[in-house]
Amino acid sequence: AAGVIQSPRHLIKEKRETATLKCYPIPRHDTVYWYQQGPGQDPQFLISFYEKMQSDKGSIPDRFSAQQFSDYHSELNMSSLELGDSALYFCASSSQGWNSPLHFGNGTRLTVT
Amino acid sequence: AQKVTQAQTEISVVEKEDVTLDCVYETRDTTYYLFWYKQPPSGELVFLIRRNSFDEQNEISGRYSWNFQKSTSSFNFTITASQVVDSAVYFCALSEYSGGGADGLTFGKGTHLIIQP
Repeated sequence: AAGVIQSPRHLIKEKRETATLKCYPIPRHDTVYWYQQGPGQDPQFLISFYEKMQSDKGSIPDRFSAQQFSDYHSELNMSSLELGDSALYFCASSSQGWNSPLHFGNGTRLTVT
Repeated sequence: AQKVTQAQTEISVVEKEDVTLDCVYETRDTTYYLFWYKQPPSGELVFLIRRNSFDEQNEISGRYSWNFQKSTSSFNFTITASQVVDSAVYFCALSEYSGGGADGLTFGKGTHLIIQP
């Protein structure tokens, strides 16, 4: 079965650079979520989109932005990167909104040096 | 206030032992969902189970079983006859209904389960 695809798998950036993470949800899933997981931490919800509209916002810094496109893929844009942004970034998708299981991608490991 | 509490930071057992991972949640909603996810050393998050607030029936899937008790706001996870491959971090998570939006999950801090051969 098709899963959530995230790219790239690994990304190394320097401080103050920008990064773009991509997420391709499971076909026919209309909801996309972004999470950030720091080392040894639990995943923290950043933002979600339902039918290409922002649905909910969590602890996403103002330096970050995201959008969902017409083909339902989503991109997380991160600017003015800081060392503390180093983390595993997960994308998840679901159908039917809040009450469906979230299926997570394998994550993008971002390292900021 | 933390909405999902996994009091056990780390548990270490010998293979074939049974082990229970505790999860206590807090919500004012009457409609909510509870989840368990597994995160093996490779890093991916694997969905294990979803339970809605109106269904307190316990569930068994192979060596895994879940005990949901609304009276104590708990959703505990038991692995029977543990195996080395069960070694992972296990997260309990809560999804609350806020009017139809795609709300994110609130995760507990996770329990690191170590199964020793």
